[in-house]
Amino acid sequence: NAGVTQTPKFQVLKTGQSMTLQCAQDMNHNSMYWYRQDPGMGLRLIYYSASEGTTDKGEVPNGYNVSRLNKREFSLRLESAAPSQTSVYFCASSAYRGRSYEQYFGPGTRLTVT
Amino acid sequence: DQQVKQNSPSLSVQEGRISILNCDYTNSMFDYFLWYKKYPAEGPTFLISISSIKDKNEDGRFTVFLNKSAKHLSLHIVPSQPGDSAVYFCAASGLAQGGSEKLVFGKGTKLTVNP
Repeated sequence: NAGVTQTPKFQVLKTGQSMTLQCAQDMNHNSMYWYRQDPGMGLRLIYYSASEGTTDKGEVPNGYNVSRLNKREFSLRLESAAPSQTSVYFCASSAYRGRSYEQYFGPGTRLTVT
Repeated sequence: DQQVKQNSPSLSVQEGRISILNCDYTNSMFDYFLWYKKYPAEGPTFLISISSIKDKNEDGRFTVFLNKSAKHLSLHIVPSQPGDSAVYFCAASGLAQGGSEKLVFGKGTKLTVNP
């Protein structure tokens, strides 16, 4: 059981380059999330998708776009990377079971923008 | 505006003793609280949670206490073990659009358990 997988694990970009971070879950969860973690800042929500076909902004959406490709996959795109987007990115998923709150996280993608 | 606060960036305790990690929140609409544990180079993993209708939840060595009037929760680890050394995140939950929940995380407390 793979849970939540993310690719790539590491990436270095130059300012202005674009890239897509991939996330997939095999737990049949409805909801998926993208977070970024910066030193001393905790985890901040970028975008989330309550269910297939829907996406909504989180706390820090500027500079990012997302696609909920199907129930399993939720991608995060940086159209024009900036040094301020250097961070560790985590994807998570959760099942909607009335009041179920447990989110399962992937191993993260460490992104450096130079 | 920080809705979930972990005011201690780090905590160091001796093996076998109690570890107490604290968390405060400001939004009274939060109705579920969780603790996540994170090791370096890994994603956070769920540890324990508590509903706002309870004041205590226990799971083995881990107990979470909730004081709604003070908007404060704490995680107790007894006895602490070196393998508990990690960053602990407090998170609070409220319903978001579409029926999913959104978690608001604190900044984390790095726990070091010394042998």
